[in-house]
Amino acid sequence: DQQVKQNSPSLRVQEGRISILNCDYTNSMFDYFLWYKKYPAEGPTFLISISSIKDKNEDGRFTVFLNKSAKHLSLHIVPSQPGDSAVYFCAASALLTGGGADGLTFGKGTHLIIQP
Amino acid sequence: NAGVTQTPKFRVLKTGQSMTLLCAQDMNHEYMYWYRQDPGMGLRLIHYSVGEGTTAKGEVPDGYNVSRLKKQNFLLGLESAAPSQTSVYFCASSRPQRSGNTIYFGEGSWLTVV
Repeated sequence: DQQVKQNSPSLRVQEGRISILNCDYTNSMFDYFLWYKKYPAEGPTFLISISSIKDKNEDGRFTVFLNKSAKHLSLHIVPSQPGDSAVYFCAASALLTGGGADGLTFGKGTHLIIQP
Repeated sequence: NAGVTQTPKFRVLKTGQSMTLLCAQDMNHEYMYWYRQDPGMGLRLIHYSVGEGTTAKGEVPDGYNVSRLKKQNFLLGLESAAPSQTSVYFCASSRPQRSGNTIYFGEGSWLTVV
């Protein structure tokens, strides 16, 4: 039973436009959410995170939105650049109850392709 | 800035052979993890450790053993490799933080079992 779902295996976006990657979760104990970016043959790298006490967090071109009532989060990339082409993983943690020691639960990833 | 280092990067095993993947982190992190990534499956937690001398099972622990004899090292062992263990393995580490545990990953170890 998947607790973190990324329903779009791939997404094509034109360079310069906005990329929106979506993620849904089912576990109401999750209170900390992260996005990771992964290039082929490399390990995932941390991109941006958000705590459940917020509904938005911004870092440069990247913004994460959290809708707790819908158990949904999204990552917005504006403007999209060719270097953004990668697989993006959504991840979640039950920080308050688990302390984060038992790691993160990941979605299956969305392959973002930025087209010139 | 080594961060999390995994060895070996690539390995081919025959069914039934054993091997150990080594992970080292230089960030003085308390927590360490082993994940595997398979096509269409995302990252799944195999085992984790919250400190030296402690280990715990994750989502997919069967067929693997781990040891954390030193804080900076986390070893993943396959006692009798099976083709189903063909995968990319990622070691990761983090420190306990009330604001949120960001996990830092190594570059991966590609394992093929034939």
